Amino acid sequence: EAGVTQFPSHSVIEKGQTVTLRCDPISGHDNLYWYRRVMGKEIKFLLHFVKESKQDESGMPNNRFLAERTGGTYSTLKVQPAELEDSGVYFCASSQVGRPIGPFFGQGTRLTVV
Amino acid sequence: AQSVSQHNHHVILSEAASLELGCNYSYGGTVNLFWYVQYPGQHLQLLLKYFSGDPLVKGIKGFEAEFIKSKFSFNLRKPSVQWSDTAEYFCAVNLDSNYQLIWGAGTKLIIKP
Repeated sequence: EAGVTQFPSHSVIEKGQTVTLRCDPISGHDNLYWYRRVMGKEIKFLLHFVKESKQDESGMPNNRFLAERTGGTYSTLKVQPAELEDSGVYFCASSQVGRPIGPFFGQGTRLTVV
Repeated sequence: AQSVSQHNHHVILSEAASLELGCNYSYGGTVNLFWYVQYPGQHLQLLLKYFSGDPLVKGIKGFEAEFIKSKFSFNLRKPSVQWSDTAEYFCAVNLDSNYQLIWGAGTKLIIKP
């Protein structure tokens, strides 16, 4: 069974540019989550999709971040325009509905804004 | 605000030593508790989880954790570590039926061969 996959694994962009991160959840997992870890800090929740609907986006830092999950399959997280403080590792995770427990994580995308 | 504390940011042990990593959370209601591990270059992997029942939970790779409700703790243990246990370990909590995980800062564990 394929796991959660994220693309790209690394991205280096200049301040002011746009970056789009992609996450492919495990097939059949309607729950999809985005988390972020800024260097040296704890992992923080960004948002939660159930299928294509945003269930909870309370962790999104500001309106420069836009997450979508068209069709309820893969998800994208766009940062526009990127700022230096957006650097970090962005994790995606998925789980089955009714089992809000032990989501499966992707390997993360390391974003560096210079 | 709810939070999760991991007591040690870095731990260095020799092979065969016993391991205990501390985790405390601040929330008085129903919680689900998790330990995740991230090996170098790999994704976050679930080690074990507690939802209810026996407070002593056994996970993969010989790890176990004990939920002590009175102490708001969920410490991770392994009686004899191996070099391959070198990784970063994360404690996480979700509250009631909320899906969001609240994370500790992580503990980097280095095992000397």
